[in-house]
Amino acid sequence: GDSVTQTEGLVTLTEGLPVMLNCTYQTIYSNPFLFWYVQHLNESPRLLLKSFTDNKRTEHQGFHATLHKSSSSFHLQKSSAQLSDSALYYCALSPDTNAYKVIFGKGTHLHVLP
Amino acid sequence: GALVYQYPRRTICKSGTSMRMECQAVGFQATSVAWYRQSPQKTFELIALSTVNSAIKYEQNFTQEKFPISHPNLSFSSMTVLNAYLEDRGLYLCGARPGQGGDTQYFGPGTRLLVL
Repeated sequence: GDSVTQTEGLVTLTEGLPVMLNCTYQTIYSNPFLFWYVQHLNESPRLLLKSFTDNKRTEHQGFHATLHKSSSSFHLQKSSAQLSDSALYYCALSPDTNAYKVIFGKGTHLHVLP
Repeated sequence: GALVYQYPRRTICKSGTSMRMECQAVGFQATSVAWYRQSPQKTFELIALSTVNSAIKYEQNFTQEKFPISHPNLSFSSMTVLNAYLEDRGLYLCGARPGQGGDTQYFGPGTRLLVL
């Protein structure tokens, strides 16, 4: 079935260093939508990025990700981490353009140290 | 803008009792509404997906008998947790989408359920 894998449960790094959170997915559909949601403590998840187009970089608030269908990946990156980036990050998949379903990965907790 | 409200924000119920929670979409028509549960230290589990003009689809391990859902119009949905027990505690999120795949799913703030 459809699934999303985030290999790191916790990523800890120092402010100013680059961020990379891994996300891979599985689906039988050829046109999935991929999303990154960010959830701060005691808040609901908020959309950070989304993409449908293969090999096209999408950016928002300093974060960027590129959907690579060849490797079924949608890694989240940022060139320089900020303290305020500390949060839970969820990669999510909507398998098909006609699909209403969104499947979430287990989430990666990003902890940025001063 | 598009907003999703959920009520109540927090609730406590006694083991074996039931709890109803509501979800309201404002600023857009919620063609689909998904209910999720985020149990402590876990990700979002999809409970069920309610889409206009389609039957409500429950995921494995979740049933209509335990989590009955109502989606009477394009702005409102409710879900009840029947006979709540300790394992039902967590944050229940409502995610509403205006259209099909690729459209942003807007989340409400959640209803946090504590079961005593």
